[in-house]
Amino acid sequence: DAGVIQSPRHEVTEMGQEVTLRCKPISGHNSLFWYRQTMMRGLELLIYFNNNVPIDDSGMPEDRFSAKMPNASFSTLKIQPSEPRDSAVYFCASAPGLSGDNEQFFGPGTRLTVL
Amino acid sequence: GESVGLHLPTLSVQEGDNSIINCAYSNSASDYFIWYKQESGKGPQFIIDIRSNMDKRQGQRVTVLLNKTVKHLSLQIAATQPGDSAVYFCAENHLENTGGFKTIFGAGTRLFVKA
Repeated sequence: DAGVIQSPRHEVTEMGQEVTLRCKPISGHNSLFWYRQTMMRGLELLIYFNNNVPIDDSGMPEDRFSAKMPNASFSTLKIQPSEPRDSAVYFCASAPGLSGDNEQFFGPGTRLTVL
Repeated sequence: GESVGLHLPTLSVQEGDNSIINCAYSNSASDYFIWYKQESGKGPQFIIDIRSNMDKRQGQRVTVLLNKTVKHLSLQIAATQPGDSAVYFCAENHLENTGGFKTIFGAGTRLFVKA
C-alpha cells in the first residue's frame, strides 16, 4: 500500500481564492482525520470521519472550512475564501477504526501558503 | 481545558547516549497515550503507545513510562542515533460523547543528536 496520499503537496494561492486539499486514505481504513499544523498552535485536529460520516467537526476553525468524504477512498478539505492566517501544513491521517488503540497513519501533508 | 504539553521544547544529546522526552497532560479521562515522531517534511509517525492501565511499555530501543498520579508521560530512547533526530509529539486519546476517540497532540520536542 502506498500509504495515505495527499495532493497537492504544495499550494500557493492569493487571499480570497478557494483552496481544495485532497486525501486518499489507506485502503480498508474506516476512519479519516484532518489536521492543521502551525508553529504557533502545533497539531490541531480539525475534523474526523468514520465510515464516511463526519463524527466531530468541532476543530474546524470557521465556516470558511468544510470537509467531505463522498466515499471510503477520498476526502476533501475546502477553504473558501482563503486568508493568510490559513497558511499551514494540512495533514490527513487514516486509521482502521476509532478505538483508542488504533494507530493513525499520516500522509505527507499539504503545505498551504495564502498570500 | 484539556491540554497535553511538553516540559522541554528542545533536547540535544550525544550519539549513543540515552534520550528522555517528557510530557504532561491534564485530562484524567485519557485512555491511551501515544508518541509520534515527525521528521522534516514528513507527517508524524507512530512510535509506541500505552494504555492508561499500564505504567510501562517497551519497544525496540524505546520505552514509554506513564505516571497517572502526576499526569506525566515520558519517552526513553536507548543508544540514540542520528536517525532519531526529529520532533517528538506526545498525544492522548480519550473517548468522546460521539462514541469516537479524539486525539490531542502536545506541542512537540525537537531532538538533536550530535555525532
